[in-house]
Amino acid sequence: TQLLEQSPQFLSIQEGENLTVYCNSSSVFSSLQWYRQEPGEGPVLLVTVVTGGEVKKLKRLTFQFGDARKDSSLHITAAQPGDTGLYLCAGGVKGGGSNYKLTFGKGTLLTVNP
Amino acid sequence: NAGVTQTPKFQVLKTGQSMTLQCAQDMNHNSMYWYRQDPGMGLRLIYYSASEGTTDKGEVPNGYNVSRLNKREFSLRLESAAPSQTSVYFCASRETGGWTEAFFGQGTRLTVV
Repeated sequence: TQLLEQSPQFLSIQEGENLTVYCNSSSVFSSLQWYRQEPGEGPVLLVTVVTGGEVKKLKRLTFQFGDARKDSSLHITAAQPGDTGLYLCAGGVKGGGSNYKLTFGKGTLLTVNP
Repeated sequence: NAGVTQTPKFQVLKTGQSMTLQCAQDMNHNSMYWYRQDPGMGLRLIYYSASEGTTDKGEVPNGYNVSRLNKREFSLRLESAAPSQTSVYFCASRETGGWTEAFFGQGTRLTVV
């Protein structure tokens, strides 16, 4: 069973601070994705990383995929209250044929206080 | 642009009752998924379907059955609901492949009393 560990589970910071959340596994993933979920809604994709060592930037968010494709991090610069939400990492695991499972970590609940 | 539509949005069941959660997508995706979300547990995969007519178990399939009758629809059935099945259920769809985007419905909040 693939297991994605996210840390920290909860994070409460002040507006303007920087933060990093982590997603780690003992297994290699063909890809890792980061999703953000707001209360009462389904998760929405932020980014997909597929190459070991890859770094992607999305405005104030920086995503990194580990060289060994077992871990990823999300760094937010100058956090804003609008960044508040549940951040989930997800790994694609190839099954038989073209069948892929998408498994999720437990998430990091981020609160950014004004 | 409906995307992924789940019905119902809310449901209260008594222990032992049965019900079916419906999910439909209009993006012509091959793969569909059912997840449950509980506090502190993230999203746990119940069942998934890589294509019409095929289904596979995920992490927590016990107590559930699924049907993929056509490409658009993937239903989740609880034959005899238990309080442990109180959760928020999400349906998702994505195109075939390891790194395609998953699109989620808005969820069904189910309470079993």
